[in-house]
Amino acid sequence: AQSVTQLGSHVSVSEGALVLLRCNYSSSVPPYLFWYVQYPNQGLQLLLKYTSAATLVKGINGFEAEFKKSETSFHLTKPSAHMSDAAEYFCAVSFSGGYNKLIFGAGTRLAVHP
Amino acid sequence: EPEVTQTPSHQVTQMGQEVILRCVPISNHLYFYWYRQILGQKVEFLVSFYNNEISEKSEIFDDQFSVERPDGSNFTLKIRSTKLEDSAMYFCASSEGLAPYNEQFFGPGTRLTVL
Repeated sequence: AQSVTQLGSHVSVSEGALVLLRCNYSSSVPPYLFWYVQYPNQGLQLLLKYTSAATLVKGINGFEAEFKKSETSFHLTKPSAHMSDAAEYFCAVSFSGGYNKLIFGAGTRLAVHP
Repeated sequence: EPEVTQTPSHQVTQMGQEVILRCVPISNHLYFYWYRQILGQKVEFLVSFYNNEISEKSEIFDDQFSVERPDGSNFTLKIRSTKLEDSAMYFCASSEGLAPYNEQFFGPGTRLTVL
């Protein structure tokens, strides 16, 4: 069965520091991987997605993620955190034959302090 | 920019009452979804819908739940007899295609509180 694990329910970084949010997946078939961000009182917004093309995926707001099949990981990074990055981040997986159903991780709340 | 909208933003109801949560997907999208997030837990898939039929549903989506596209713009989730454990944030989403790489666009959610 497919599943997603996000390590760290809360991550706190200083403004300007590296952001690293971890995501590991389990899938018996090739996965499609997504990172969504949720700002307070808003819906989920797609940051980036992996669809079996390039393993390094660039998204919006300076975020990127690298698909590593050997490690079953899809960690999200940003070189320099900004105060506006404070939000909840969700990693999700879908797969062929799954009617586009998304399976989400538990989410990581990112806090950015001055 | 087109967006998915949901109403109401917050719904409070008594246990055993019926509720209808409403969503307006993006106009040229053909595939629709409902997810829910119980406070402190993961976002969970409930159901996907295409061409006026359910494509897939989760174990959560039992006989108490139903979905409908009553007209060309709305997509609704009905809970017939609410339980305390139905309290959650309910998200509607839509996508252009059904392929697993198609982006799903999410609405802001409806917070359902069952008393």
